[in-house]
Amino acid sequence: AQSVTQLDSQVPVFEEAPVELRCNYSSSVSVYLFWYVQYPNQGLQLLLKYLSGSTLVESINGFEAEFNKSQTSFHLRKPSVHISDTAEYFCAVSKHNTDKLIFGTGTRLQVFP
Amino acid sequence: EAGVVQSPRYKIIEKKQPVAFWCNPISGHNTLYWYRQNLGQGPELLIRYENEEAVDDSQLPKDRFSAERLKGVDSTLKIQPAELGDSAVYLCASSPGTSGYEQYFGPGTRLTVT
Repeated sequence: AQSVTQLDSQVPVFEEAPVELRCNYSSSVSVYLFWYVQYPNQGLQLLLKYLSGSTLVESINGFEAEFNKSQTSFHLRKPSVHISDTAEYFCAVSKHNTDKLIFGTGTRLQVFP
Repeated sequence: EAGVVQSPRYKIIEKKQPVAFWCNPISGHNTLYWYRQNLGQGPELLIRYENEEAVDDSQLPKDRFSAERLKGVDSTLKIQPAELGDSAVYLCASSPGTSGYEQYFGPGTRLTVT
């Protein structure tokens, strides 16, 4: 079975500082990896995903994540955060050829001015 | 394009009462999911539909939970009777396909059982 670990429940950071949200997964088979973001009072939105190919994937708003198979990680990074990035971020995994998502417990990113 | 619509957004009921949640997926999305998100946790899949067929309901507590997706569009999730432990946010999502496709989530229904 697959599992996802997000060790940091909260990450406080000042505006324009870099940030890394950690995600580690466990699986005996090949997986797809996702980061979803949940803004207050809204549904989850896909931020980025890794299916195959280049291990570095990027989102349109400056986030990136790198799939590291040897370390079973998919950490999310942004070189300079904005106040508007304040949200809950969820890492998720699914087996190849399935769509059943297994979510981590989430990391609350709080950006301060 | 309208997103996934859920209603109600909030519901407060007493234990042992029934409750129902409604979801309207994005037009053309054949796959529909119901998730439960407990406080401080990530969403957990309850049931997945391909059109009107429930193809994965292994995590649905069938003694009190039921779901239907008539005509392969809208879906309803019901709890009867509700228990205190059912307090959570119930999320509906839809997808145009499976395996690697993005799942589009609705805003959820926050259920409080007193």
